[in-house]
Parts: sequence; C-alpha cells; structure tokens
Amino acid sequence: EPEVTQTPSHQVTQMGQEVILRCVPISNHLYFYWYRQILGQKVEFLVSFYNNEISEKSEIFDDQFSVERPDGSNFTLKIRSTKLEDSAMYFCASSEARGSSYNEQFFGPGTRLTVL
Amino acid sequence: RKEVEQDPGPFNVPEGATVAFNCTYSNSASQSFFWYRQDCRKEPKLLMSVYSSGNEDGRFTAQLNRASQYISLLIRDSKLSDSATYLCVVLLLNNNDMRFGAGTRLTVKP
Repeated sequence: EPEVTQTPSHQVTQMGQEVILRCVPISNHLYFYWYRQILGQKVEFLVSFYNNEISEKSEIFDDQFSVERPDGSNFTLKIRSTKLEDSAMYFCASSEARGSSYNEQFFGPGTRLTVL
Repeated sequence: RKEVEQDPGPFNVPEGATVAFNCTYSNSASQSFFWYRQDCRKEPKLLMSVYSSGNEDGRFTAQLNRASQYISLLIRDSKLSDSATYLCVVLLLNNNDMRFGAGTRLTVKP
C-alpha cells in the first residue's frame, strides 16, 4: 500500500539554526500539507501546497517557514531560525484532490523536532 | 469558542462496552467531517468520513447534525485495540486546511 514517508524521524537542533524536514508524498497525489502537533496538544494545520504554490496557510506559518517541492517527489518544510516553541511533531500529508469527504489526507509518520 | 470541541475524556471502558464521543464545531461553513484515530506518538489515520445521513462501518457509527453543528462517533463492542485518541476533524468549503479537535482518549480494559 502506498504511503507518505518522512525523514528524519527525529531532528535535534540548536535554537536559531535552520532545519529542513523532508517528505515524500504518495506518488499520484496532487495536494500536499504540513501539520504540527506540540506534545500533548492538538494537530494544527500549517500549510497546503498545490501546483507548485501555497494554496492555504495558517497564522502559524509565518516568515520563518517555507515549503518547496524541489523535484518530482520531495516536499520540504524549512524553518529558518528555530525557536524553542517550534519543538513539535511535524506531519506531512497528501491527498489526490482537494479536500472533501471523498479525498482522504494520508499522513506520514512524522518528524519529531526538538529545539534546544 | 474553539473551532472544534470534543469531550476531553479520558474514557476508560471494559471490553465489549459501547462508548460514544461527541464533537461540536463553530464554523457553519464547515463542509466535510471526519473521525481520525491517533495512537500514542503516531500519525493520525482516517477512521471514517461522516456523511449527512449518518454512516456505519462495522462497529463504528458516525452521525452529523448540521443544524446543531454536532458530530458523534459510536463504538460498539469495544476491543482492546480500540484504545487510542479519537480526533474530530472538520474541513471548510473549498478549503484544504483540516481543523482538528484536541481529541478524546479512549482506553479499553480487559
């Protein structure tokens, strides 16, 4: 069964450093997403991406964040200057088409980011 | 008011019990509704979509009441493997950003 993959599974970084989280969505999917979940809290939407551009973003997704699809398979989330409060699990997801009851978003296993 | 609000739980039930989770959403423009399941330190996985007429999948039944902006999930004959956090999720019309509830934790005990 096709699945979304993410690397690394765990990233530890120093405050102020840049990190890049990587995702490989399911191959025939067209919509890609990043979510984050701070430990013990709810899953929060960050950004959605379609046709090589951002389609929606939340208030969390400020200038410190960027996304890119550098090639035909990878989808990356970059945090330019990490803060302690960026420590969270970051989930990538993908779907075949735009959100609806019939277009499930499939989640990757997540990258746990720890900012020291 | 939170966008998506759920019973905080935790729910601790014996095997075989029936358990019901409730969820309310604040945005009347919400279009699509889902229940996701999340195991500890794992990714959310779709349990079932919720349709206007209500729908059933084996032991699981989901209901939607648009007038009350209320969604429910009923689990019958609960199994040990049902132990997880259940996430209520809504999607706005013509939008892709899913809004998650904080989740309701269920523990099924022998």
